[in-house]
Amino acid sequence: DAKTTQPPSMDCAEGRAANLPCNHSTISGNEYVYWYRQIHSQGPQYIIHGLKNNETNEMASLIITEDRKSSTLILPHATLRDTAVYYCIVRGAHGNTGKLIFGQGTTLQVKP
Amino acid sequence: GAVVSQHPSRVICKSGTSVKIECRSLDFQATTMFWYRQFPKQSLMLMATSNEGSKATYEQGVEKDKFLINHASLTLSTLTVTSAHPEDSSFYICSAITGHSSGNTIYFGEGSWLTVV
Repeated sequence: DAKTTQPPSMDCAEGRAANLPCNHSTISGNEYVYWYRQIHSQGPQYIIHGLKNNETNEMASLIITEDRKSSTLILPHATLRDTAVYYCIVRGAHGNTGKLIFGQGTTLQVKP
Repeated sequence: GAVVSQHPSRVICKSGTSVKIECRSLDFQATTMFWYRQFPKQSLMLMATSNEGSKATYEQGVEKDKFLINHASLTLSTLTVTSAHPEDSSFYICSAITGHSSGNTIYFGEGSWLTVV
């Protein structure tokens, strides 16, 4: 599995955009970048994923660099409920499983 | 998004007994389900991958005879912790996916807290 590197923690002011970086310099051509978040004592929540192009949904935007070696998750207007651990995961197809291997993630603290 | 449900959400059992945790995909057929465990203030650790109708594939270091996984149908997988000990106390989380493309989203259950006393 390609590994990812994320800062251990970040702060963001409520109402401002939260930009969470992720490095995945060893990503290969058929591997997707996935983002999940985990609020304390709950299962991970899917946010967004992408392969090459930038992606946007109702929760966030995902910006992937042209060389695909890094990406940024953008929460456009962070709220206190966005406080969570955010995981950036590179996922490929290993046989027929394509399992998700979690790193340590980034703890995002949204402050009033 | 798709819904994955776990039951029970919390369970307490005595040392030496076995406990079963269920994972259900409520609105899709899960060709593959994954089981994780998570200790406090740590990340999720993948335990095993199960495909419907076949034996589970366990990650290195996970005892297959202690953590029995059954994926008998496309909507249900179970994890049985056998002869539980206090060190098995943890947060157990399942996830599920339909299809085999790496672009298909994996959805997670709410997790199950196991306390062994």
